[in-house]
Amino acid sequence: AQRVTQPEKLLSVFKGAPVELKCNYSYSGSPELFWYVQYSRQRLQLLLRHISRESIKGFTADLNKGETSFHLKKPFAQEEDSAMYYCALSERDDKIIFGKGTRLHILP
Amino acid sequence: ETGVTQSPTHLIKTRGQQVTLRCSSQSGHNTVSWYQQALGQGPQFIFQYYREEENGRGNFPPRFSGLQFPNYSSELNVNALELDDSALYLCASSFRLATDTQYFGPGTRLTVL
Repeated sequence: AQRVTQPEKLLSVFKGAPVELKCNYSYSGSPELFWYVQYSRQRLQLLLRHISRESIKGFTADLNKGETSFHLKKPFAQEEDSAMYYCALSERDDKIIFGKGTRLHILP
Repeated sequence: ETGVTQSPTHLIKTRGQQVTLRCSSQSGHNTVSWYQQALGQGPQFIFQYYREEENGRGNFPPRFSGLQFPNYSSELNVNALELDDSALYLCASSFRLATDTQYFGPGTRLTVL
């Protein structure tokens, strides 16, 4: 069965320090991977997807098929990055599986 | 362009009752997905509707059912409510398929007593 694991429930990082939110997945095929974010009092929204290979709000994520990982990175954390981050996987076009999420807390 | 809306915002039911939750998709979207989010968990996929047909289902029992209407709005029905059904129910619409960008609604908070 497909599975998405986010090992950290909470990650606290100082402003200006690098951020890495970990995501590992188990799936035998070629998945599509996403990061969704939920800021305080806002809706869940797409941050980025691996097929786009783009940087959004300074965040990037590289799919590593060998390590089955899709870690989210940002070189310099900003206070507005504080939010709940969910890694998600889709194997086909009909469902998406979410991880349990990591709360990112940026310390001043 | 209007975003995804859900109603009601929250409701309280008792065990054994039935509930219907509603979702209006974003303008131009023909796919709606429903998720259950328990406290401290990520959203769990319930099912997806594409052009009024169920197009995928997660590990939820048959008492969770849905509908999509010609205007692409959708309903989630849950029969014989159980205490564990207490959760935030999210719907998300997308242009075509689940792997297109999903736009989420604010959710309906269901409490089962």
